This record gives sequence, C-alpha cells and structure tokens, in this order.
Amino acid sequence: DAGVIQSPRHEVTEMGQEVTLRCKPISGHDYLFWYRQTMMRGLELLIYFNNNVPIDDSGMPEDRFSAKMPNASFSTLKIQPSEPRDSAVYFCASSSGNQPQHFGDGTRLSIL
Amino acid sequence: QKEVEQDPGPLSVPEGAIVSLNCTYSNSAFQYFMWYRQYSRKGPELLMYTYSSGNKEDGRFTAQVDKSSKYISLFIRDSQPSDSATYLCAMNNNDMRFGAGTRLTVKP
Repeated sequence: DAGVIQSPRHEVTEMGQEVTLRCKPISGHDYLFWYRQTMMRGLELLIYFNNNVPIDDSGMPEDRFSAKMPNASFSTLKIQPSEPRDSAVYFCASSSGNQPQHFGDGTRLSIL
Repeated sequence: QKEVEQDPGPLSVPEGAIVSLNCTYSNSAFQYFMWYRQYSRKGPELLMYTYSSGNKEDGRFTAQVDKSSKYISLFIRDSQPSDSATYLCAMNNNDMRFGAGTRLTVKP
C-alpha cells in the first residue's frame, strides 16, 4: 500500500528562483496538509485541503507561497520568489476524515 | 503559552531502560491524541492513537491520556537502539496541534 509520495526529496536552488514541491496523497483520503519543519519552529501547518478545496491557509507565511490541488491525487506547493529563510523540510500529509494524518518523507529544501 | 508543551530533550537512556515521554496541553476541546515517531530524514510515522482517557498498549509501547490533567504520556519498555528517534505528540479536535518533539537516544 503506497503511502504519501513527495517529490523531489531534495532541492537546492538559488535565491529568487521558483520552487515547486509535489505531493501524491494516499488514495481515498479526503484531507491533504502541507507542513514546514525547522529546528527553531518545529512542525508548522501551512495549508490544508478538504476534497481538493483549500480550507485554511492562515499558516502560509506570505504571498510568495501558494498551493493548489487540481485533483484528488495531486497537490503542489510553490514558492516564488524563494528566499534563504524558506530553507526547511516540507512535508505533505493526508488523512481520511478525523483519522490520524499520514506523512510523506518530505522535501529537504535549501535556498542559497 | 503554547497549546501543546513538550520537552524537546534530548533524552539519552541505556538499552533496556523504560522511557517516559510527556506532553501537556491547554485546550480541553482536544479529543484525539497521537504519538508520532520520526527517524532522521524521514517523515513522522504514526505510532499510537487514542481517543479517551486511560491506557492503550501496543507491544512495548503504552500511551496514557489523562484529560482531567490535560496530560499525555508515552512509555517505552525494554528500549532498543532502534527506538532512537524524535517522538512528537499530537492532538486533534478540528485542528491538529503538534508538540515540539523529544529527541531520544537509546545507547547499546
């Protein structure tokens, strides 16, 4: 049974470039979450979707961040333009209803 | 005050020790309580999931919830080096909240 799949696993890019992170949730899950994890701030919820509709994006740091979910099996998190302070590990998670969330292995993002 | 408080450690114990990990919370609306284990360079993995106050056991792991005190615990018996990881508590009503995570090292 495939879990949450994220790509790429690692991304290194220069400041100012556009970054796109991808996520495939577990089939049948109706919730999808994007998190950012840093040593200083721990795990922070950025945005979540229910049935492909964004429900709460209050955790998105600023307008440089955007997320989409065009269908039930795919979501993207985009940063444009990227800045060094965006360097972190970004996780995608999915769940069914009120059940616990299942996480992918994350994308380790480094902005130089 | 954070909604969920968790001592970040680090915690180091010898192999075979009993480990106790704890979280406190302030929001009495939380109904579901979880423990996740996160290995280095991996995503958090669900370890235990409980709904009500009391104990839930799964092998060497026991999750304990005390809603009256707003306190949850995870006990690991006969700890193994493979248990070395960061453990995050999480709780949920409509929104999920995570603790900061406790880094555990079990030394052989």
